[in-house]
Amino acid sequence: AQTVTQSQPEMSVQEAETVTLSCTYDTSENNYYLFWYKQPPSRQMILVIRQEAYKQQNATENRFSVNFQKAAKSFSLKISDSQLGDTAMYFCAFMKHSDSWGKLQFGAGTQVVVTP
Amino acid sequence: DAGVTQSPTHLIKTRGQQVTLRCSPKSGHDTVSWYQQALGQGPQFIFQYYEEEERQRGNFPDRFSGHQFPNYSSELNVNALLLGDSALYLCASSRLQGGGLGDTEAFFGQGTRLTVV
Repeated sequence: AQTVTQSQPEMSVQEAETVTLSCTYDTSENNYYLFWYKQPPSRQMILVIRQEAYKQQNATENRFSVNFQKAAKSFSLKISDSQLGDTAMYFCAFMKHSDSWGKLQFGAGTQVVVTP
Repeated sequence: DAGVTQSPTHLIKTRGQQVTLRCSPKSGHDTVSWYQQALGQGPQFIFQYYEEEERQRGNFPDRFSGHQFPNYSSELNVNALLLGDSALYLCASSRLQGGGLGDTEAFFGQGTRLTVV
């Protein structure tokens, strides 16, 4: 079974600053996908960024980037130039390549609060 | 495109009752997955439906059952409700027969908040 661990319950950052969220996972799989989802107060989970395990290059999406360390089973998210709209719960998620799309294993989440 | 829609948004039920939650997937999607998110926790996978059949199931008791209709919409049924079933229930849709990664992203609805009293 896979486990996903997010050790930071809450992170606070000022507008325009950078914050890094940590995520570690445990798996015996070699092919898998990793995701960061954002859940604002509206409750809808929104995909922020994804990484395929076989790709060595770290994924980036505008102000969001990841540091994927496969050997260490670490997958951190960096939010640059933080904006007030980034305030939300952020969940790290894992999916086996062999699983059909939609079966995700989530961590417990990190609450990000962006202050003016 | 309305995206993934769930109904109702909120629901209060009494312990021992039964409840049905509904989900309409995003246009073009054929697979529906259900998750339970307890307060302060990450979502937990309940099960997934494709071609009107349950394809995969998480570690949930048989009190949790589902259905998928020919138009791909889905229902989640929970029998003999317990206080511990109080949670946000999320539906996610995706397209199983996808080409590349971009075709098969899972989209989530806004959830149904179930309170069991």
